[in-house]
Amino acid sequence: DIQMTQSPSSLSASVGDRVTITCRASPGIGNSLTWFQQKPGKAPKSLIYDASTLQSGVPSKFSGSGSGTDFTLTISSLQPEDFATYYCQQYIAHPFTFGPGTKVDI
Amino acid sequence: EVQLVESGGGIVQPGGSLRLSCAASGFTFSDHYMDWVRQAPGAGLEWVGRSRNKDYRYTPEYAAAVKGRFTISRDESKNLLYLQMNSLKTEDTAVYYCARGRNGFDSWGQGTLVTVS
Repeated sequence: DIQMTQSPSSLSASVGDRVTITCRASPGIGNSLTWFQQKPGKAPKSLIYDASTLQSGVPSKFSGSGSGTDFTLTISSLQPEDFATYYCQQYIAHPFTFGPGTKVDI
Repeated sequence: EVQLVESGGGIVQPGGSLRLSCAASGFTFSDHYMDWVRQAPGAGLEWVGRSRNKDYRYTPEYAAAVKGRFTISRDESKNLLYLQMNSLKTEDTAVYYCARGRNGFDSWGQGTLVTVS
């Protein structure tokens, strides 16, 4: 199975901060990576697919980059509604696997 | 608007069975891959399995943890995706989500809770 790791596991930030979350895949996955945001008690929401393509309706403050084994999700200016847990996931091969998540709090 | 609505969750004893449904609307159901993902209480996300689209005869794939116990199927006429869960274990306790497998997993349902106890 493809192993997905994320760092950090949690971070504290302030409104207006620029935040970067890292995801690593082993072995490499090309650009078959997606990022989700999940708030407590809610379903995940897709933010980015193919490593860097914004899902329809997702604000441009979110951006993704990377390919192969190393990927990043950046939130350019953190807003109160962005405090949540963020997951990466690979979809190049079954079983699809998720990273363990990064909790972003105040 | 794409909409996915899960149902069928509940409390079941270990060794029991349960069938979850996911009602799809707002898109051509037969054209799309569909997935089940679960989340145990306080834990991360875990992929359960996939139903390919009609072009691939809805053939399924499963995670190792559920293979041989869970079955994914569809009713094309009703736009329903199913997850038949047999021989349930306490570790299957989770919220189960269905998701559309387009551009990653672009749309999700609200989830249905399954408790095995």
